[in-house]
Amino acid sequence: DAGVTQSPTHLIKTRGQQVTLRCSPKSGHDTVSWYQQALGQGPQFIFQYYEEEERQRGNFPDRFSGHQFPNYSSELNVNALLLGDSALYLCASSNPGGSDYGYTFGSGTRLTVV
Amino acid sequence: QKEVEQNSGPLSVPEGAIASLNCTYSDRGSQSFFWYRQYSGKSPELIMSIYSNGDKEDGRFTAQLNKASQYVSLLIRDSQPSDSATYLCAVRETGRRALTFGSGTRLQVQP
Repeated sequence: DAGVTQSPTHLIKTRGQQVTLRCSPKSGHDTVSWYQQALGQGPQFIFQYYEEEERQRGNFPDRFSGHQFPNYSSELNVNALLLGDSALYLCASSNPGGSDYGYTFGSGTRLTVV
Repeated sequence: QKEVEQNSGPLSVPEGAIASLNCTYSDRGSQSFFWYRQYSGKSPELIMSIYSNGDKEDGRFTAQLNKASQYVSLLIRDSQPSDSATYLCAVRETGRRALTFGSGTRLQVQP
């Protein structure tokens, strides 16, 4: 049973560029949440997708956008990259209909902006 | 601003001791509480979930919840060096689908 898969694992981008990160949720999960984790900090919520719509959004600028596909996979797009966007980006999947509504995290994408 | 607070540590305990990790939260209506373990350079891994006041035990781990005090804790009995990691407290706040995480407590278990 595949867990949450994210790609790519590592990425180096130049300031001002755009980046797309991808996530496939765990089998049976239909909800995908994206988090940004800076070094030494806890994960910060970016947004959550369910039924192909953004259901909730954290305190992130519009440069951060996403999409969910009919197969529940998701993309995170970041435009006009800033140095401060360098972080570990985590995708978490969940099934709100399940009895234990926790998250399963992917291994993350380490984004470095230079 | 809803918050989840944790002492950043490091919390250092000798092998075999009980490690006690604490978390407070600001949203009194929060209903779901989780503890995640994160090894350096890795992604968070769910250890425990708790929804009702009291204790919940799973192996060497015990989660404790006190909603009146807005306090949740994690006890690790017979701590092992392999338990050395950052422990993240996460809360699902009222009316929100997403989890809010604390900044984590770094635990060091000394052999």
